[in-house]
Amino acid sequence: ETGVTQTPRHLVMGMTNKKSLKCEQHLGHNAMYWYKQSAKKPLELMFVYNFKEQTENNSVPSRFSPECPNSSHLFLHLHTLQPEDSALYLCASSQGAARGESPLHFGNGTRLTVT
Amino acid sequence: QKEVEQDPGPLSVPEGAIVSLNCTYSNSAFQYFMWYRQYSRKGPELLMYTYSSGNKEDGRFTAQVDKSSKYISLFIRDSQPSDSATYLCAMSRNSGGYQKVTFGTGTKLQVIP
Repeated sequence: ETGVTQTPRHLVMGMTNKKSLKCEQHLGHNAMYWYKQSAKKPLELMFVYNFKEQTENNSVPSRFSPECPNSSHLFLHLHTLQPEDSALYLCASSQGAARGESPLHFGNGTRLTVT
Repeated sequence: QKEVEQDPGPLSVPEGAIVSLNCTYSNSAFQYFMWYRQYSRKGPELLMYTYSSGNKEDGRFTAQVDKSSKYISLFIRDSQPSDSATYLCAMSRNSGGYQKVTFGTGTKLQVIP
């Protein structure tokens, strides 16, 4: 099993739906991240959790709500999304958010389509 | 000016060729430099990471960092069709107590058998 597991792999939702993305890491890391990947754009950092505490919210709209119950699990709750939110949502983990020598390890992402 | 510039390609080479992928950056505060490989419908996979200027080799892959020129490269020797993927450069700096990672847009590579 990959070190970082994301579910579901694909999600189609209407603009009025509420859904959640789940991420679990099996690497013993202490920091977890949500990134958004859109076509022809660099990965965009959304949220950072270091030792379960949110340390970064990169000006993300409130329709995205993260939750980190422990160092191994991360959720992204979605509600009233817009079609432009359609993208690949990637979860990543690292030893600690302050440790530059600990690179990011990514899951395979959730492909989200908002209709 | 973007902090990290990367040619999006696509880059198409014959099997066995030496591939050179490059990124330039503008912020001298970047400390760590990484290359990720991303296959279609997969997440980015860490290939190489380095801290200092110079070369780092791992099998057919060599990462090169030139901090004075703000330029990093990834060389792939004896390229294989299985190397066909998008390659992302990334670099990190300390920002507000954590390492902020900035990615390039990625270069799509196709190795033709």
